[in-house]
Amino acid sequence: AQSVTQLDSHVSVSEGTPVLLRCNYSSSYSPSLFWYVQHPNKGLQLLLKYTSAATLVKGINGFEAEFKKSETSFHLTKPSAHMSDAAEYFCVVSDRGSGNTGKLIFGQGTTLQVKP
Amino acid sequence: DARVTQTPRDKVTEMGQEVTMRCQPILGHNTVFWYRQTMMQGLELLAYFRNRAPLDDSGMPKDRFSAEMPDATLATLKIQPSEPRDSAVYFCASSGDVNTQYFGPGTRLTVL
Repeated sequence: AQSVTQLDSHVSVSEGTPVLLRCNYSSSYSPSLFWYVQHPNKGLQLLLKYTSAATLVKGINGFEAEFKKSETSFHLTKPSAHMSDAAEYFCVVSDRGSGNTGKLIFGQGTTLQVKP
Repeated sequence: DARVTQTPRDKVTEMGQEVTMRCQPILGHNTVFWYRQTMMQGLELLAYFRNRAPLDDSGMPKDRFSAEMPDATLATLKIQPSEPRDSAVYFCASSGDVNTQYFGPGTRLTVL
């Protein structure tokens, strides 16, 4: 069965410093992995996705993530945080079992706080 | 810029009333998902459709919730009768490939 674990429920950084949001996954199949962001009172926006192509994936707003099979990790990074990055971030794996249903399995979320 | 749209954005109703939420998937997407988000439970998958046929609705309370896709451009989620515990944000998402979902802005439902 597929699952994701977001290792931090809350991360606080200062504006202009790097961001690291950690995610480990478990999958019996070659996984498709995603990061979504949710700003307060908004829907979920796709930041980036990994679907077995390049292991370093670049997304929107300067975010990127690296797929590391040996570590079963898919951590999200950004070199320099901006105040507008403050939001909830979800690491997600696609359910590839049972006929590749397309269902998503969400992590519990990480709240990113950016201090001035 | 293709987007999933949802109406209404906010709905306040009284217990026992019928609530209908609508979703327009991205044109050409053949899979539609309904989610519910609460502080306590996080994101829960309620139901999903592929090519307008329901594939899985095991996440929905069967006695009061129903989901349909009358045509390829419209998905509906209905609650009858509504209860205070149904208060949540309901999201629709659509997918054109089997893996990537695009979410709508959500309907915030408050049942008094």
